[in-house]
Amino acid sequence: QKEVEQNSGPLSVPEGAIASLNCTYSDRGSQSFFWYRQYSGKSPELIMFIYSNGDKEDGRFTAQLNKASQYVSLLIRDSQPSDSATYLCAVLSGGSYIPTFGRGTSLIVHP
Amino acid sequence: SQTIHQWPATLVQPVGSPLSLECTVEGTSNPNLYWYRQAAGRGLQLLFYSVGIGQISSEVPQNLSASRPQDRQFILSSKKLLLSDSGFYLCAWSRIAGRTDTQYFGPGTRLTVL
Repeated sequence: QKEVEQNSGPLSVPEGAIASLNCTYSDRGSQSFFWYRQYSGKSPELIMFIYSNGDKEDGRFTAQLNKASQYVSLLIRDSQPSDSATYLCAVLSGGSYIPTFGRGTSLIVHP
Repeated sequence: SQTIHQWPATLVQPVGSPLSLECTVEGTSNPNLYWYRQAAGRGLQLLFYSVGIGQISSEVPQNLSASRPQDRQFILSSKKLLLSDSGFYLCAWSRIAGRTDTQYFGPGTRLTVL
């Protein structure tokens, strides 16, 4: 059974700090990895995806993938109170179009 | 650009009543379509997915059903709602973007069964 694990949090960081969100997965055949942000009462919105080992940067967001260790992380630089949300990690195995979602990590950025 | 619509946005229904939630996608053709449910404080549960008109796969046996009468229309139904059907229902579509199949979610329908 494919599993995606995230610490439920909440992760609390001060404004301006770097928030680090982590996700581990069980399926070694996983090939694509996604981060979604979900504000309370709203639907998930895609932040970014990554499928190669290493870092991928998009604005204040950096996704990091380490397939050997089976983890993917999301770094948020210069965190803002508006970043306060639940962050969902999703993993897609090769040849599949059904991702496995983690339960999400709640992030709180306090002024 | 592609957009996905869901309605209604909120719904309050009595136990035993029928249900029909609708999802439509604009700006793309032959998308994969998905229905998820997110119960309070819980993760996303995949209910159904469809790779084409009339093609529905069920992930969880329950009193819900899905249909895809048109390429970009996905409907979630129930003949008799249960209390446990309460939750946030999300429709999603996906397409190949680069090397990967990326899902995009609609705004969701919040269903309360009383």
